[in-house]
Amino acid sequence: DSGVTQTPKHLITATGQRVTLRCSPRSGDLSVYWYQQSLDQGLQFLIQYYNGEERAKGNILERFSAQQFPDLHSELNLSSLELGDSALYFCASSVNMNTEAFFGQGTRLTVV
Amino acid sequence: GQQLNQSPQSMFIQEGEDVSMNCTSSSIFNTWLWYKQDPGEGPVLLIALYKAGELTSNGRLTAQFGITRKDSFLNISASIPSDVGIYFCAGQSTSGTYKYIFGTGTRLKVLA
Repeated sequence: DSGVTQTPKHLITATGQRVTLRCSPRSGDLSVYWYQQSLDQGLQFLIQYYNGEERAKGNILERFSAQQFPDLHSELNLSSLELGDSALYFCASSVNMNTEAFFGQGTRLTVV
Repeated sequence: GQQLNQSPQSMFIQEGEDVSMNCTSSSIFNTWLWYKQDPGEGPVLLIALYKAGELTSNGRLTAQFGITRKDSFLNISASIPSDVGIYFCAGQSTSGTYKYIFGTGTRLKVLA
């Protein structure tokens, strides 16, 4: 158990809908990363937060947004969902921005 | 999205054999991480490397941070069936964004 908690574990929703994925980092970790992994693909970086502030942005679609709250948990919001958004979404956390990152178990999103 | 070149893409080996895989980048990295991912699970951190030339072991696993800071290597000695999975490298750049960029993965299958 990495200590990073993601909910829900599975999510099935229809095209056009909006969902929120939640991540609780390891105790004491200030940095949170979000990654997308499509079927049998690598991990694509979406966005990073550090102590509540956005610090790096990857190939995150405009339909996607995220935030990190004062208690350091983070949420990834996906809207106007398309079939191609079906993927595993991972959250990772690290103590600082330049220390090793630990991953959660992921949320499997299926858009039908 | 940006990814590191990881090779080989996949390998079948006999139980007891040693395994080597590597990761290369066109950019210089400050940190290299190696992860193992089982199907449907989150990546699990195996080894973290922070200095050029650093050689670090974790049980039967040994990883090295290349001298040029543009590559890293992972070796698994005396492989066993539970080594099956996908191995990912991840590098953190020096550009100041602190995001981790992942390799394309090496799929390892061990034949008993």
